[in-house]
Amino acid sequence: ELKVEQNPLFLSMQEGKNYTIYCNYSTTSDRLYWYRQDPGKSLESLFVLLSNGAVKQEGRLMASLDTKARLSTLHITAAVHDLSATYFCAVDTQGGSEKLVFGKGTKLTVNP
Amino acid sequence: GAVVSQHPSRVICKSGTSVKIECRSLDFQATTMFWYRQFPKQSLMLMATSNEGSKATYEQGVEKDKFLINHASLTLSTLTVTSAHPEDSSFYICSARVPGQGTKNIQYFGAGTRLSVL
Repeated sequence: ELKVEQNPLFLSMQEGKNYTIYCNYSTTSDRLYWYRQDPGKSLESLFVLLSNGAVKQEGRLMASLDTKARLSTLHITAAVHDLSATYFCAVDTQGGSEKLVFGKGTKLTVNP
Repeated sequence: GAVVSQHPSRVICKSGTSVKIECRSLDFQATTMFWYRQFPKQSLMLMATSNEGSKATYEQGVEKDKFLINHASLTLSTLTVTSAHPEDSSFYICSARVPGQGTKNIQYFGAGTRLSVL
């Protein structure tokens, strides 16, 4: 059974600081997704990582995937208040089932 | 990007009643849709995979007779919570997989439905 672990689950940081959220998963997969969720809202797709070594960047966020270590990171650079949200990673179960298994999410609060 | 519409966004009902939630893909045909449930401050848990023209595939522990899924067309899947009880109160989210992606599995999510059962 595929398990996805995120850490930290809660992150409070000051504006302008850098930090990294980690996503570990338990079985072989080379497809990993990052989503953002604002309170009371649905999920917004941030990044799709489809191969070992993939790196994607959008604004102050950068995501990477290491399939050998079964690890993805979401790096935040010079955080701003607008980045406050909950971030989820999700891993694709392989074998054609197309199911996503989500981590527990990281609630990020960026303080002025 | 692809748009998935979910309706209603919020519903409050009495215990024992049934509630239907609709999930529509607006600008693409979705042979596969997914229904998730999210409790407050928790992650998304997949309830079932909805396949157009065939029976849904339910995850372990999800009651098929309680959560009825119908995927009668390529753009519409419905989730009916039958005889709802307070413990069914949750945030329900649907997603649809855009076809033709090859090995990708990019899913687009609806806005979610907050169900409150009194």
